[in-house]
Order: sequence, then C-alpha cells, then structure tokens
Amino acid sequence: EAQVTQNPRYLITVTGKKLTVTCSQNMNHEYMSWYRQDPGLGLRQIYYSMNVEVTDKGDVPEGYKVSRKEKRNFPLILESPSPNQTSLYFCASSLVRGWVNEQFFGPGTRLTVL
Amino acid sequence: KQEVTQIPAALSVPEGENLVLNCSFTDSAIYNLQWFRQDPGKGLTSLLLIQSSQREQTSGRLNASLDKSSGRSTLYIAASQPGDSATYLCAVISGGYQKVTFGIGTKLQVIP
Repeated sequence: EAQVTQNPRYLITVTGKKLTVTCSQNMNHEYMSWYRQDPGLGLRQIYYSMNVEVTDKGDVPEGYKVSRKEKRNFPLILESPSPNQTSLYFCASSLVRGWVNEQFFGPGTRLTVL
Repeated sequence: KQEVTQIPAALSVPEGENLVLNCSFTDSAIYNLQWFRQDPGKGLTSLLLIQSSQREQTSGRLNASLDKSSGRSTLYIAASQPGDSATYLCAVISGGYQKVTFGIGTKLQVIP
C-alpha cells in the first residue's frame, strides 16, 4: 500500500531533550516536506527537500533540523525542544510532474513539550 | 508573500444540501491548488488537484473550480451527507513548485 508513515504518533517530552520524528514514504517520491499545525494558524511549512541531500527552509524553520540521506526517509530533528514547539506535525511526500506538486500526507505526530 | 484565506470558517448544513466552500489567495502566480479534507485527529486526505492551466476538476460529488486572475477557488459538494463532516483545507503551490501555503480551513458539519 502506498503510504507515508510517521513515528512516533504521540510523544510527550521535556524541554531540552533532543528528539527525532521519523518519516518514510514508499512511493519513490523525490519531494518531501514537514509541516506543523496549530489552532488558528493552519499548516505551516517547516522544511522541504527536493531530493537526496537537497533541503531548504520553509516558513517556520527555527528550532528544527532535517536531513535527507535516503530518498524514502526525511526525519525531523528537534535538538532542544521548547514548549512553543508543542504542535501537531505532518510529513508529506509529493509526486512532482513538471510544475505540478501533488501532496500525500502522513497520519501526524502529536508532540507535547513540557 | 502568498496568503490563503478560507471562508466561512465553519458551516453547518442539513443533509442533502448542496454547498460551496471558498478559498482565496493573494498571489495569482500559482502552479497548482489542492483541496484536502481532514477528519478530527487524522491526517489530510487529498480530494482534488487543479493545475494552473485548468478551470475545474471533478470527483464524484465534488467539483473544484479555479479562477487564477481573481485569486479564487471554490469546492462544490453536491447532496451533502453526514460522512462529509470534516475540515476542508486548500493549499496553493506558488513561488516555485516547492512552496506550499495552506488556508486555515472550513469546518463542515452535515446534520442528519
């Protein structure tokens, strides 16, 4: 089954404790991205990657890191999480044909930073 | 900077009614627009994608239109059902195919 998977689905942690949220897709998509969703603010793009070893900042990259060492995986790293990073996080991968970017989303990771 | 607005923020209709959800964007130089639904606590499910060269797309009871010049898209849902209750989001791809901007969404409730 074609899908985007994220782990963990739920995470409660404390300020400053490094964490990684994994994202994997089995559709051979070149483009992957991370979003956070907050009430009243909608989904905002954190980082995106157009291919292996190619990443770029979205609208809200502060406090996050990403890497793209393999085409299928795009982990999100919080080196020193803070309470303002409490949010619902989504990973997406995209089929890009010419200029058309059609996105497929993972199930989400609900992160709470105490 | 691209901004996407969805009106109304919430909508409640009786079952069977036809309805229209609106999405507007400030920069008309878009590459494509995608409509999603999001169920509570769940991820986003893609409904329709409209390329910049297209005027509309249809899937079952759903029809999405795009007017780039006026910066608007509408999602028409025919004969609404309680199972259509969800939040509907539109996303615009602009500034290159990699830049994605979402609206906050319209929360739809269809009452049996």
